[in-house]
Amino acid sequence: AQKITQTQPGMFVQEKEAVTLDCTYDTSDPSYGLFWYKQPSSGEMIFLIYQGSYDQQNATEGRYSLNFQKARKSANLVISASQLGDSAMYFCAMREAYTNAGKSTFGDGTTLTVKP
Amino acid sequence: DVKVTQSSRYLVKRTGEKVFLECVQDMDHENMFWYRQDPGLGLRLIYFSYDVKMKEKGDIPEGYSVSREKKERFSLILESASTNQTSMYLCASREDRADTEAFFGQGTRLTVV
Repeated sequence: AQKITQTQPGMFVQEKEAVTLDCTYDTSDPSYGLFWYKQPSSGEMIFLIYQGSYDQQNATEGRYSLNFQKARKSANLVISASQLGDSAMYFCAMREAYTNAGKSTFGDGTTLTVKP
Repeated sequence: DVKVTQSSRYLVKRTGEKVFLECVQDMDHENMFWYRQDPGLGLRLIYFSYDVKMKEKGDIPEGYSVSREKKERFSLILESASTNQTSMYLCASREDRADTEAFFGQGTRLTVV
C-alpha cells in the first residue's frame, strides 16, 4: 500500500482564492513528520511547511497552512489568496522516526494551476 | 544561503556509458539522498547515505551505485547507462533530525540515447 496518497493529479484555482491540496498517509509509527514541498517548472524542490505527529496545533507559514487530522491520517495543504507564482507541482512527504530507517516517502504530486 | 549543487543541469549520454552525477552540499549535513523523478511516479529513492562511506539502498537501486568519500559530496553512478534510466535526478541533503526538511539541488535531466 502507498504510504503517501495524493488523489488530485491536477487542480485549478482562481487567483486570490484559497485552495486545498489533499494528502493522506499510512503509518504505524507513533512518531513521524509530514512535509510539503513545491516544485516550480524550474525543477528545484522548495520546502513549504512541516507538521510533527505530536504537534497539537496545525502548522502555518505565511499563506500556507496544514490541516492536520491525525485520526483520519490526513495532512492537507491549504494555500490562501493564491498567486500566479503558486502554479507548480506540490508534493506531500512523510518521514517516520523508527520505521523505514528515517527515510522520507513522497506522494505522486499535485499540479496546481492558478488562473488569472 | 544554504546550497545543494548538482554538477549538471542537462546531460545526454549513450547507452552503455558509465555516468557520474555529482552532488555537493555546504551545510555539513549528515544525510544525503538521490531520487529519481518520473511523471506520475513522484520521487523514488535510489540510494541514501547517513555518513561518510555509509550507504543504504533505497526503493530502486538496481543499475545504480553511489559513493560518499567526503561528507559534502555524494555521487550517483550509472555503471552502464540504459534508455530506461532517462529521467530527472534530484539530490537532497538533510540534518539527521526527524523534524528538519530536506534541501534539494536543481536537478539533472539525464537523457540516455
